[in-house]
Amino acid sequence: TQLLEQSPQFLSIQEGENLTVYCNSSSVFSSLQWYRQEPGEGPVLLVTVVTGGEVKKLKRLTFQFGDARKDSSLHITAAQTGDTGLYLCARGGYSSASKIIFGSGTRLSIRP
Amino acid sequence: EPEVTQTPSHQVTQMGQEVILRCVPISNHLYFYWYRQILGQKVEFLVSFYNNEISEKSEIFDDQFSVERPDGSNFTLKIRSTKLEDSAMYFCASSAGQVFADYYEQYFGPGTRLTVT
Repeated sequence: TQLLEQSPQFLSIQEGENLTVYCNSSSVFSSLQWYRQEPGEGPVLLVTVVTGGEVKKLKRLTFQFGDARKDSSLHITAAQTGDTGLYLCARGGYSSASKIIFGSGTRLSIRP
Repeated sequence: EPEVTQTPSHQVTQMGQEVILRCVPISNHLYFYWYRQILGQKVEFLVSFYNNEISEKSEIFDDQFSVERPDGSNFTLKIRSTKLEDSAMYFCASSAGQVFADYYEQYFGPGTRLTVT
């Protein structure tokens, strides 16, 4: 089983601060996704990274895929209260029919 | 923007009853999935479906579960005889075919909260 370990599990910071959360595995992935899930709702896809070393930006969010394609990070600049939520990394499938395997998530709370 | 929809948003049922959870995937997608999330736990894969047959299923997806695409738009998950431990959020997801650039990305619906009493 390819496990995705996310750290930290919980993070509470003040609005305006920067933060980084991590997703690690011992396995190599063909792709990796980051999702955000709010309570009582489904995961919402934020980004997919495919190439080792790839960096993608989504406004204040920067996603990086490790060179060896075993790990990834999500950096948020100047966090806002609207960034509060559960951030999940997920192993992308090797084919269209493949299941997604989710990490345990980082629960982020941004204090005003 | 196209989205996956699910009905009902909340279903309460008694143990032993059958339930059918419904999903309308994104219209040009060809691959369909069900996942579930027990309160406080990870999102877990149940089953994937393509070309009117199951592609892959997890150990959770036993004989009590079945999936169907009864027409061109709906995708359903049936639980024949619900148990207390089936209480969870059930998410439907869909993915485009290989002709699209993002074929390996799955898009999730808002979920159905199933409560078995």
